[in-house]
Amino acid sequence: DVVLTQSPLSLPVTFGQPASISCRSNESLVKADGNTYLNWFQQRPGQSPRRLIYEVSDRDSGVPDRFGGSGAGTDFTLRISRVEADDVGIYYCMQGTHWPWTFGQGTRVEIK
Amino acid sequence: EVQMVESGGGLVQPGGSLRLSCAASGFTFRRRWMSWIRQAPGRGLEWVANINQDGNEKYYVDSVEGRFTISRDNAKSSLYLQMSSLRVDDTAVYYCGRADRVGSADPWGQGTLVIVSS
Repeated sequence: DVVLTQSPLSLPVTFGQPASISCRSNESLVKADGNTYLNWFQQRPGQSPRRLIYEVSDRDSGVPDRFGGSGAGTDFTLRISRVEADDVGIYYCMQGTHWPWTFGQGTRVEIK
Repeated sequence: EVQMVESGGGLVQPGGSLRLSCAASGFTFRRRWMSWIRQAPGRGLEWVANINQDGNEKYYVDSVEGRFTISRDNAKSSLYLQMSSLRVDDTAVYYCGRADRVGSADPWGQGTLVIVSS
């Protein structure tokens, strides 16, 4: 199975400051069709996960533009340009290129 | 509004069986792949199974292969997960998700809790 390794696992942030989460795969996430099926999900306390980003960098409808995804191959990053209170939660990267689809361990974003 | 509502969770003894249901609304159910995903208490996420639009293509994670069966009823816009030979490590919140695009699923339902314990 594809292993996704996130870092850091805990990210204390200050309101208004940027934050960045890394996700590294043990094999390329480029599918035979040429696309890369790397997603980012946010799980707020007490809620179901919600997708923020699909195919590395495409934002879902309603997701603030302070969230951005980048990367290629095996290295990916989720960036939050200015952290707000609503952003507290756990962030997971997830790959849908190779079956079984797998998640990273999660990164807990909390306010300092 | 796209919505999925899971039900059927509960407490079951090891070796027992349980059937989860997911009622979908707000989209054309028969046109979408659907998924089950689970989250063990205090732990991460695991993609459990996928099923295609007419139910003849199914994929399972190794840990549930041969014990769980994903199915659907397009006339009822419903997704199911039949779970048998349940183990303690199957304890989790089970979510259903709409596979809205290749390699992903969103949104998910609110989840139903399955506890396997003696």
